Amino acid sequence: DTGVSQDPRHKITKRGQNVTFRCDPISEHNRLYWYRQTLGQGPEFLTYFQNEAQLEKSRLLSDRFSAERPKGSFSTLEIQRTEQGDSAMYLCASSTRRDRVSEQFFGPGTRLTVL
Amino acid sequence: GIQVEQSPPDLILQEGANSTLRCNFSDSVNNLQWFHQNPWGQLINLFYIPSGTKQNGRLSATTVATERYSLLYISSSQTTDSGVYFCAVVPTAPGNAGNMLTFGGGTRLMVKP
Repeated sequence: DTGVSQDPRHKITKRGQNVTFRCDPISEHNRLYWYRQTLGQGPEFLTYFQNEAQLEKSRLLSDRFSAERPKGSFSTLEIQRTEQGDSAMYLCASSTRRDRVSEQFFGPGTRLTVL
Repeated sequence: GIQVEQSPPDLILQEGANSTLRCNFSDSVNNLQWFHQNPWGQLINLFYIPSGTKQNGRLSATTVATERYSLLYISSSQTTDSGVYFCAVVPTAPGNAGNMLTFGGGTRLMVKP
């Protein structure tokens, strides 16, 4: 089991540019989550997929944010027209469906800096 | 929504000392996890402990779900224990079928040699 992977690990962009992050969950984990963590705070939930279906979205996920999980495998998170306030660590997690409530495992994160 | 409070917010220890970190939550939960976030930002799973007591080496955790708190014990601390410790919960409340985690603010631990 290789764990959750994320790409890129770091991204520096200029305000107004679009960025896309990728998350590969643990194989056979059908639940995938995106969280955002700003400096000095705990992570906050953004959105959740079960297989390819996006079932929950936080109010933090403005219309500039979009997430997909085609075929229920990897997921992408896109931020359009980035703002300086989008600077944060973006974390992806996955879990299994076997238990009604199951343990989440996190990837290493993508650190975004918007100049 | 559920409130998760961790204490203390900051902790400085001498190597070899023991410590107890606390997590209080405002509502009933289905899931509780403890994480250690290393300096590179990686969240490392320590315990999945919605109730009861577990031990893993120098670390142990206890969750008393009926009283809405969990404790993380670190014994014989080492410099590599430094970092931020997060408690995160999944509330039992309806509408959380996705089991999204709500995190506390963390305890920042520094272990000095």
